[in-house]
Amino acid sequence: DTEVTQTPKHLVMGMTNKKSLKCEQHMGHRAMYWYKQKAKKPPELMFVYSYEKLSINESVPSRFSPECPNSSLLNLHLHALQPEDSALYLCASSLSGTGAYEAFFGQGTRLTVV
Amino acid sequence: ELKVEQNPLFLSMQEGKNYTIYCNYSTTSDRLYWYRQDPGKSLESLFVLLSNGAVKQEGRLMASLDTKARLSTLHITAAVHDLSATYFCAVDIRSGGSNYKLTFGKGTLLTVNP
Repeated sequence: DTEVTQTPKHLVMGMTNKKSLKCEQHMGHRAMYWYKQKAKKPPELMFVYSYEKLSINESVPSRFSPECPNSSLLNLHLHALQPEDSALYLCASSLSGTGAYEAFFGQGTRLTVV
Repeated sequence: ELKVEQNPLFLSMQEGKNYTIYCNYSTTSDRLYWYRQDPGKSLESLFVLLSNGAVKQEGRLMASLDTKARLSTLHITAAVHDLSATYFCAVDIRSGGSNYKLTFGKGTLLTVNP
């Protein structure tokens, strides 16, 4: 299994809603990431989990809350988002817990905040 | 702060022609990656370049890395329409102890015309 699976593929949420994005990999990778990508822009790193511990937070607003329940799963909890948070959210994983290897990306969740 | 610069940002080619995309980066790194992204889709890993002088080829694409010049190239040979996509280079740098994180260039939007 060489896939990173993200659910849902599309999500529309109101500014007062609470929702979660899910990411799963079964490649034994020890680093997992959340990226945000706006249209026609490169992906921007949000969070890195290394060996199930949060190792990098790129000064992301607290309305985004990551969680790594185990080595295969990564969640991103969303609360009180703004319309400008609408974007493609990409999960990725890499073999090394330090992130020092190729990152494999999931298909992404297209988020629209209304 | 690491800067990763790609050029050109937009490239319109005719089928059958050759061209090169350049990726310069501003700090020492021994690892560089090329990704492809189709519209509305996720990132597909194309090449992983791990050492100075590394050269990798897949079909009509060839990537190289010169760590001394902090330069990578993605060469397209005899372009075909199926190569139309956005191509990103990304550089690994150490961040916060032993962790690494990817920083992406702005991407090159390649359009191959009949």
